Amino acid sequence: DVKVTQSSRYLVKRTGEKVFLECVQDMDHENMFWYRQDPGLGLRLIYFSYDVKMKEKGDIPEGYSVSREKKERFSLILESASTNQTSMYLCASSFGDRGLRGYTFGSGTRLTVV
Amino acid sequence: QQQVKQSPQSLIVQKGGISIINCAYENTAFDYFPWYQQFPGKGPALLIAIRPDVSEKKEGRFTISFNKSAKQFSLHIMDSQPGDSATYFCAATDFINTGTASKLTFGTGTRLQVTL
Repeated sequence: DVKVTQSSRYLVKRTGEKVFLECVQDMDHENMFWYRQDPGLGLRLIYFSYDVKMKEKGDIPEGYSVSREKKERFSLILESASTNQTSMYLCASSFGDRGLRGYTFGSGTRLTVV
Repeated sequence: QQQVKQSPQSLIVQKGGISIINCAYENTAFDYFPWYQQFPGKGPALLIAIRPDVSEKKEGRFTISFNKSAKQFSLHIMDSQPGDSATYFCAATDFINTGTASKLTFGTGTRLQVTL
């Protein structure tokens, strides 16, 4: 019954590496989002996409990029990983109804950059 | 800039008690206010939501109270149970002119522990 799947549960990468986080949804949702979750800071929006090949910056896009080549897949890319990008990353998706039916989140990828 | 401020950061309530979590927002363009519940190891899930044209919404033991003039809203959990122990996030949506997209701005979260 998994609807938003994130490719890795835990990931350890070295500083400077290029990191790809993958997210796939099977609900035919128009919108997809990447958030990072940090203690005391809540969830902060990195990037979102409201259509294939469309993307918009969120509140903290610096150091990240995204790709959405297919409707069901939304990738987050850390161009050159840094220790301050150690965090829990959450992917979410929603219908194109202003999120009224709610966001569906994946279980998250805990990324550690060493 | 934190557009949605949430308090308290953590909360301990005895079984059967009332849990209250408060949020305040600044952006008057916000037009939809959901609450999400997150259990350890899981992503957040929609719990209950309210629109600014009503002052209260109740679903089972969960109630949202909304004060538009004060730009505040709160979640009340009546008869709190150990199974309610989770992290709760308030959020607000800001409709974007793209037509169908919206994005959630979250509060910082409240870790609720309900003790026996």
